[in-house]
Amino acid sequence: AQKITQTQPGMFVQEKEAVTLDCTYDTSDQSYGLFWYKQPSSGEMIFLIYQGSYDEQNATEGRYSLNFQKARKSANLVISASQLGDSAMYFCAMRGFQKLVFGTGTRLLVSP
Amino acid sequence: SAVISQKPSRDICQRGTSLTIQCQVDSQVTMMFWYRQQPGQSLTLIATANQGSEATYESGFVIDKFPISRPNLTFSTLTVSNMSPEDSSIYLCSASDRSHEQYFGPGTRLTVT
Repeated sequence: AQKITQTQPGMFVQEKEAVTLDCTYDTSDQSYGLFWYKQPSSGEMIFLIYQGSYDEQNATEGRYSLNFQKARKSANLVISASQLGDSAMYFCAMRGFQKLVFGTGTRLLVSP
Repeated sequence: SAVISQKPSRDICQRGTSLTIQCQVDSQVTMMFWYRQQPGQSLTLIATANQGSEATYESGFVIDKFPISRPNLTFSTLTVSNMSPEDSSIYLCSASDRSHEQYFGPGTRLTVT
């Protein structure tokens, strides 16, 4: 069975600073993918970044990077230079064979 | 990336009635899924919508309560049957064509009174 754990219910960061959102996972699959999504108050799920289990380099997408530590089974999201528009819920998710399983989410609040 | 639309975007329904949610993808996709997000909670997979055959339901979800159709590679419907207030949630359609991509529709916000 797959399990995603996000231990930070809420995080606060000042504008222009970097923030790390934690995510650990558990799976018996050899091949899997890790995703991060952003959910603003409007409710839509916005895909941010993907990391494959066999990818040797950490994924980056603009201000988002994924700190992938396979041995520790962690896939933390790093947001650099936070902006007010980054305030939202952030979900870590893992996909093994077919299904995408989500963590409980972290609410990020960016203050001026 | 696939663009996914859902109808309706929101609805208020009386208990005991049923609502059918439509999901349309702008390109052919291999996999389509339905998720539920209860208030203040994370997303839970209801079922995988299989083209031309019965959907594959997750534990805790049954076909009689959540019948799903997928007549082709771009369209699916989810019906929430015999609704109760506990069914008040956001229902999200999702689609994937490659293992490193999975996109979501804007969601249907359902309130049952």
